[in-house]
Amino acid sequence: QKEVEQDPGPLSVPEGAIVSLNCTYSNSAFQYFMWYRQYSRKGPELLMYTYSSGNKEDGRFTAQVDKSSKYISLFIRDSQPSDSATYLCAMKDFNKFYFGSGTKLNVKP
Amino acid sequence: KAGVTQTPRYLIKTRGQQVTLSCSPISGHRSVSWYQQTPGQGLQFLFEYFSETQRNKGNFPGRFSGRQFSNSRSEMNVSTLELGDSALYLCASSYDRDKPSTDTQYFGPGTRLTVL
Repeated sequence: QKEVEQDPGPLSVPEGAIVSLNCTYSNSAFQYFMWYRQYSRKGPELLMYTYSSGNKEDGRFTAQVDKSSKYISLFIRDSQPSDSATYLCAMKDFNKFYFGSGTKLNVKP
Repeated sequence: KAGVTQTPRYLIKTRGQQVTLSCSPISGHRSVSWYQQTPGQGLQFLFEYFSETQRNKGNFPGRFSGRQFSNSRSEMNVSTLELGDSALYLCASSYDRDKPSTDTQYFGPGTRLTVL
């Protein structure tokens, strides 16, 4: 069993939709949670970083962490075609980073 | 502030050859990690260097090695290349892993290695 599970998609939504991306994990030692966005042929770009349960908002993006359920989410409001990319969740214990396999999102105009 | 840079961006090699990839971290960052990304396996951790010392290592064969210089720049070497080594190799830097507020990783654009 992988330590971080992420649905690979692809996920296709119309422009303006609310997008929900999710990851589950098994290691309760994970303390820090991140979401990265990766455009085709580019390196991952950090979107959100949080270290506590609850919600963190940044513009159209909201990261949600539920440590009791070992579940994290990224919500994108008013999705735009420019949001089309692969979204990777990442988690960290005291030692190393662990990445999900990524969810490919396509926002149709 | 300049981001993480990686050279070369693209590389084509044949089986059995060796290759060296280079990474320059964000100015002031002392930790450099290397990852292999493939469509089937996703992002897989290779190793991490901090202050010229390898701090962590993933589950890759000894053909994969790395080093870090005093200016925090890092190189990764793959010897005796195999077809399965074709991948995007990503470098990520962070300020200091031991300080939670500053250990977020920032990625470079990657080096796309094709082994024929």
